[in-house]
Amino acid sequence: AQKITQTQPGMFVQEKEAVTLDCTYDTSDPSYGLFWYKQPSSGEMIFLIYQGSYDQQNATEGRYSLNFQKARKSANLVISASQLGDSAMYFCAMTAPGTYKYIFGTGTRLKVLA
Amino acid sequence: GAVVSQHPSWVICKSGTSVKIECRSLDFQATTMFWYRQFPKQSLMLMATSNEGSKATYEQGVEKDKFLINHASLTLSTLTVTSAHPEDSSFYICSARDAGAANSPLHFGNGTRLTVT
Repeated sequence: AQKITQTQPGMFVQEKEAVTLDCTYDTSDPSYGLFWYKQPSSGEMIFLIYQGSYDQQNATEGRYSLNFQKARKSANLVISASQLGDSAMYFCAMTAPGTYKYIFGTGTRLKVLA
Repeated sequence: GAVVSQHPSWVICKSGTSVKIECRSLDFQATTMFWYRQFPKQSLMLMATSNEGSKATYEQGVEKDKFLINHASLTLSTLTVTSAHPEDSSFYICSARDAGAANSPLHFGNGTRLTVT
C-alpha cells in the first residue's frame, strides 16, 4: 500500500530565507508521481510542483524546487527566498499509474516571519 | 491554466435536508473527478471517484447512499449530501484532471464549507 509521511506539523522561517519541507513516501510501484500543493487559509488547493519517478533531474518551478532522493524515498520541497504570502499549509501527495487517485500527507503549516 | 469551479463556496443547512455541490471543469474535459473531505487542520480524505457516464467508486467507509455522486457530463460532477446531520459539517473539495494533458496534476475547486445546524 502507498503511504505519504510529512513529519513536520509546523515550521517557521524568516522572510527571504529558504525553507525545506519534508516528505517521505512508500510504494512498491516503480512508476509514480509526486506532487506538492499549497493550501492558504481560504481553502483552495494550489498546485506547486510535480516530480515523476523516472525523472532524472529534480523539478523546479520558480522559487520552488523538489529535492528528490529516490533511494531514500523522499521528495522534500524547498522554497527559496520566502515571502509572507508563502504562509499556508503544504501538502505532499503521490499517485499511482492508471488511477490518478492522490494520497495526501498530513501537511505542514508554514509560517513566514517578517 | 486548467480551472475547476466549485459551487457553492459555503452553505448552511438544517439537519435532515439535502445539499448539492457542483464541480465544473471550465476549460477542459474531465472523464474522472475526485471528491475529498477535509476536517479542520487535517489532511484531505478521498471520498469517491466520479466517473463520467458510470457509477462512482467510493472509498472504504464512505456511505454511497449518504453521498450521492453524479457525473452527467465531461465537465460536471455533483455531490449531494442527503439527510445532512451536524457530523457531515466539513470542507468538501473536488478535483479533476485534464485527460488530454500528459502528466497533468489534479486541479482543485475552491471547496465548499458545509455547516449543518
